[in-house]
Amino acid sequence: QKEVEQNSGPLSVPEGAIASLNCTYSDRGSQSFFWYRQYSGKSPELIMSIYSNGDKEDGRFTAQLNKASQYVSLLIRDSQPSDSATYLCAVNMVGQAGTALIFGKGTTLSVSS
Amino acid sequence: DTAVSQTPKYLVTQMGNDKSIKCEQNLGHDTMYWYKQDSKKFLKIMFSYNNKELIINETVPNRFSPKSPDKAHLNLHINSLELGDSAVYFCASSSLAGVETQYFGPGTRLLVL
Repeated sequence: QKEVEQNSGPLSVPEGAIASLNCTYSDRGSQSFFWYRQYSGKSPELIMSIYSNGDKEDGRFTAQLNKASQYVSLLIRDSQPSDSATYLCAVNMVGQAGTALIFGKGTTLSVSS
Repeated sequence: DTAVSQTPKYLVTQMGNDKSIKCEQNLGHDTMYWYKQDSKKFLKIMFSYNNKELIINETVPNRFSPKSPDKAHLNLHINSLELGDSAVYFCASSSLAGVETQYFGPGTRLLVL
């Protein structure tokens, strides 16, 4: 069973702090890695995508990928109350029938002002 | 401009009924998906279509039948609805199956009574 694991949280940080979200995956053949943010009652929206080992920065967000350890993380700097949401890690996995994104169960982030 | 749209947004129905959910994308993508998000917020792939052809069919009851009249549309028909079908159903699309970013529709909240 191919899996994506995340701590469900909640992860609570004060405004202005760094939030660190972690994700591990089981399929060594995975090539594409995504972080989605989902507000309550809304659809998932893409925050970051990363395809190669190392760091990728976009504004206050940094995604980190370590394929050897099968580990993806998302850092949110200067956290804001508006960052309070569920963060979903998604990894592509190739099966017999094709390629699909497998999602983790999400980490709930709460940023207090 | 709505990139991925779904109708209806809400669907309340009785057990045993048959219902359909429609999805349309105007992004020019070749691949479309149906996901189910249960009460615990776990987002799971149900089906994937590439250029109107079914490429992924996860373990989903036969009561669920996707249909793709063209590559911009993917509909989901559900027969003999059961209480356990209550969930949020998301349609998504991407330019390259499982590798590129998937864009999600607003979701259809289905409640079976």
